[in-house]
Amino acid sequence: DQQVKQNSPSLSVQEGRISILNCDYTNSMFDYFLWYKKYPAEGPTFLISISSIKDKNEDGRFTVFLNKSAKHLSLHIVPSQPGDSAVYFCAASGPDMRFGAGTRLTVKP
Amino acid sequence: ETGVTQTPRHLVMGMTNKKSLKCEQHLGHNAMYWYKQSAKKPLELMFVYNFKEQTENNSVPSRFSPECPNSSHLFLHLHTLQPEDSALYLCASSQEQGPRTPLHFGNGTRLTVT
Repeated sequence: DQQVKQNSPSLSVQEGRISILNCDYTNSMFDYFLWYKKYPAEGPTFLISISSIKDKNEDGRFTVFLNKSAKHLSLHIVPSQPGDSAVYFCAASGPDMRFGAGTRLTVKP
Repeated sequence: ETGVTQTPRHLVMGMTNKKSLKCEQHLGHNAMYWYKQSAKKPLELMFVYNFKEQTENNSVPSRFSPECPNSSHLFLHLHTLQPEDSALYLCASSQEQGPRTPLHFGNGTRLTVT
């Protein structure tokens, strides 16, 4: 039972443009959401999070949007840089933490 | 040394072998976790330890046996594994066990069972 889904396995974007990574969840008990970034041969690193009482959280080039009614969140990266190329995992928690399968982002110079 | 360190980075073992994965965190965290990542699948939580006490066992087969001697060290003992257990095993830690606490991951052990 996959409660957190990232339906796009991969995404390719030109440097300087916006990257939008999407995540859907099914469990309405989830009330906290996180994004992690993973480079090859490294473990995931925490990127940004959002509580269900908010609909937007911004940190520099990274913004996470939450649409509770649609059970959907998205991560926007603008402007995208080649160093952003990685696998991005969304995670939802409350009380358990569940991860999506990841989206591989490639930012082309 | 800082962060979460996992050894070995790669491990190949036969189905009759016994091996152990080691994780050490230098962050002063109180909770430690084992996750399994199979190809193209979400991370699966295996075990959670909070202040050295196991608080979650996510229906993991007994051929995986965790050990947490103190808040800084976590082991995963492996015996009579199956080829389908081949995966990336990730250790993580957090300041406390809780749904809103970001996890700090190690670089993982890539396990191949032959």
